[in-house]
Amino acid sequence: NAGVMQNPRHLVRRRGQEARLRCSPMKGHSHVYWYRQLPEEGLKFMVYLQKENIIDESGMPKERFSAEFPKEGPSILRIQQVVRGDSAAYFCASSRRMRQDNTEAFFGQGTRLTVV
Amino acid sequence: ELKVEQNPLFLSMQEGKNYTIYCNYSTTSDRLYWYRQDPGKSLESLFVLLSNGAVKQEGRLMASLDTKARLSTLHITAAVHDLSATYFCAVDKGETSGSRLTFGEGTQLTVNP
Repeated sequence: NAGVMQNPRHLVRRRGQEARLRCSPMKGHSHVYWYRQLPEEGLKFMVYLQKENIIDESGMPKERFSAEFPKEGPSILRIQQVVRGDSAAYFCASSRRMRQDNTEAFFGQGTRLTVV
Repeated sequence: ELKVEQNPLFLSMQEGKNYTIYCNYSTTSDRLYWYRQDPGKSLESLFVLLSNGAVKQEGRLMASLDTKARLSTLHITAAVHDLSATYFCAVDKGETSGSRLTFGEGTQLTVNP
């Protein structure tokens, strides 16, 4: 059972370009969460999605950032017109449909975005 | 708003010594997680604590949860160099938020020979 798959692992973008980060959840998981980790800091929640639905986007910056989780295919975190301050590690996690006793979210390897 | 605070943020210890990392959180929650992160790597799940009084142990690490005090501890026994990493606690906000987690700032542990 493959874990949460993120790609690319490393992404370099020039200021003003777009960054697209992909996340394929674990098999059987239909909930996806995106987190951002700035250097030397903890993870900060960005957005929580289910298939074709954004459940909670309270952690997303108001501009330039968007996320989707289509019926088919991976979840995508999209950052338009990147700036240096977007440089961070972006982690995706997935969990089962229902929050059950032993359900937990499992994390992918992360995408490290560098804006030059 | 749920807040999670860890202390200490930096911990340097000698091999063979014992120490405890503390995690306080601000609102009621019945689910707490401990993760380990090595530099440049993802998060490795260490413990999931699901109820008041829960205690779990794995090797030299033991985690406990006191939901009344809103406190979890991660105790390190007879530290070894391989335990050097950053340790995060995280709290699950509850049923309506799925498995959305709020993380502490992390404790950067260095175990010196």
